[in-house]
Amino acid sequence: RKEVEQDPGPFNVPEGATVAFNCTYSNSASQSFFWYRQDCRKEPKLLMSVYSSGNEDGRFTAQLNRASQYISLLIRDSKLSDSATYLCVVSGATNKLIFGTGTLLAVQP
Amino acid sequence: DTGVSQNPRHKITKRGQNVTFRCDPISEHNRLYWYRQTLGQGPEFLTYFQNEAQLEKSRLLSDRFSAERPKGSFSTLEIQRTEQGDSAMYLCASSLTLGGATNEKLFFGSGTQLSVL
Repeated sequence: RKEVEQDPGPFNVPEGATVAFNCTYSNSASQSFFWYRQDCRKEPKLLMSVYSSGNEDGRFTAQLNRASQYISLLIRDSKLSDSATYLCVVSGATNKLIFGTGTLLAVQP
Repeated sequence: DTGVSQNPRHKITKRGQNVTFRCDPISEHNRLYWYRQTLGQGPEFLTYFQNEAQLEKSRLLSDRFSAERPKGSFSTLEIQRTEQGDSAMYLCASSLTLGGATNEKLFFGSGTQLSVL
C-alpha cells in the first residue's frame, strides 16, 4: 500500500462548480498535512496546511479526519485559474514529507 | 532572487555517464530535500538533510545515487553510471524547522530535468 494515495483524476468541472478531493495516508503517527498545487511544468507550491480543526482560506477548505486517516480539499466556485494538479502531502515515520501522486483538475469555461 | 535555486535547469547525458546537480536553498533554511518526479506522478522522496546531516535516504534509491550537503548550505546530488530510467525532473526543496515544530512548509526550486539517452 502506498503511504499517501490520491485519485489521479482528471476531474473535469465547469466554472463555478464545487469540487472535492480526498487523500488517504497509511501512517497513523503522521503529524503534518498539507495541500500543494503544481501547475504544468512548474514546481509544487504550498496551497494550504491542514489542521485538525479544519481550516478555510477563501474558496478553499481543508479537513483532516485522523480516525479514518484521510484529508480533503474542497474548492468552491471553481475558476479557470484553479486548473492544476493538487498534491496531498503527509509527514512520514521519520518526519520526512511524502507526496501523493496528485489529482488533476481541469476547470472548463 | 532569494528562493531555492537549482542548476542546471536541463541536463542531457548518455547512458553510463555521471551527472551532478546543485541546489542552493533559501539561506536560513536548515532542512533540504531532494525529490524525483516523472510525468503523471507526484514527487518521490529521495533524501533529506538537516543542516549538514543526511537524515534519511530512500530505500528505493540505488547506490549509484549520492547526495551531500557539506557545510549545511548548498547540496549536490550525483548519479553515477546513469540509466535511461533515471530520466526525470529532480526537485530540491528547503524548509525551516524549529525544534519539534511539525508545521513544515517546503519551498521548491524549479528543478533539473535529466534526460538519459
